[in-house]
Amino acid sequence: NAGVTQTPKFRILKIGQSMTLQCTQDMNHNYMYWYRQDPGMGLKLIYYSVGAGITDKGEVPNGYNVSRSTTEDFPLRLELAAPSQTSVYFCACSKGGGLTYEQYFGPGTRLTVT
Amino acid sequence: GESVGLHLPTLSVQEGDNSIINCAYSNSASDYFIWYKQESGKGPQFIIDIRSNMDKRQGQRVTVLLNKTVKHLSLQIAATQPGDSAVYFCAEKDQGGSEKLVFGKGMKLTVNP
Repeated sequence: NAGVTQTPKFRILKIGQSMTLQCTQDMNHNYMYWYRQDPGMGLKLIYYSVGAGITDKGEVPNGYNVSRSTTEDFPLRLELAAPSQTSVYFCACSKGGGLTYEQYFGPGTRLTVT
Repeated sequence: GESVGLHLPTLSVQEGDNSIINCAYSNSASDYFIWYKQESGKGPQFIIDIRSNMDKRQGQRVTVLLNKTVKHLSLQIAATQPGDSAVYFCAEKDQGGSEKLVFGKGMKLTVNP
């Protein structure tokens, strides 16, 4: 099992450009999450999903959109990139259901907006 | 408001020493806590977790202690090895219905050979 995969690993965007960060999990987990991590900081939740067709905002959702059409995929969309969105983005998943809350993380996407 | 933070931003230890990483939390309604390790350029990896109905939990070379009275969490690493060098995060979950985790800022552990 690959776990959580993210593409691309690195990306440089110009201000105003758009892009989609891909996230796929093969763990059959219900819950999926998108975080951003700024240098020297912890993880801030952007959006999360408790199942296919259901998404909700996290702490820092402005400038981002998500969709969850399948259990496996949870893409993150940046519509008009801004320098403040320069960060490392992590996708994670968890089983859900209350037995365990452990989240499994992907390797991250490093995004630079210039 | 709810927050999870670490007392020390950096910790440097000698190989073979025991390490203690501390974490304070402010949400008295948190019922679950978890520690993650993040190596440079990688995603966070699970180390150990503990529910609020426990005071202590042990894993392989790691122990988590929870003091709900003073809202304090600690991670103890025995016989620290160079491979333990990383940034360590604590996170908490509110007892409400959401399964979201709130992460602290992290603390960098450096193990000197």
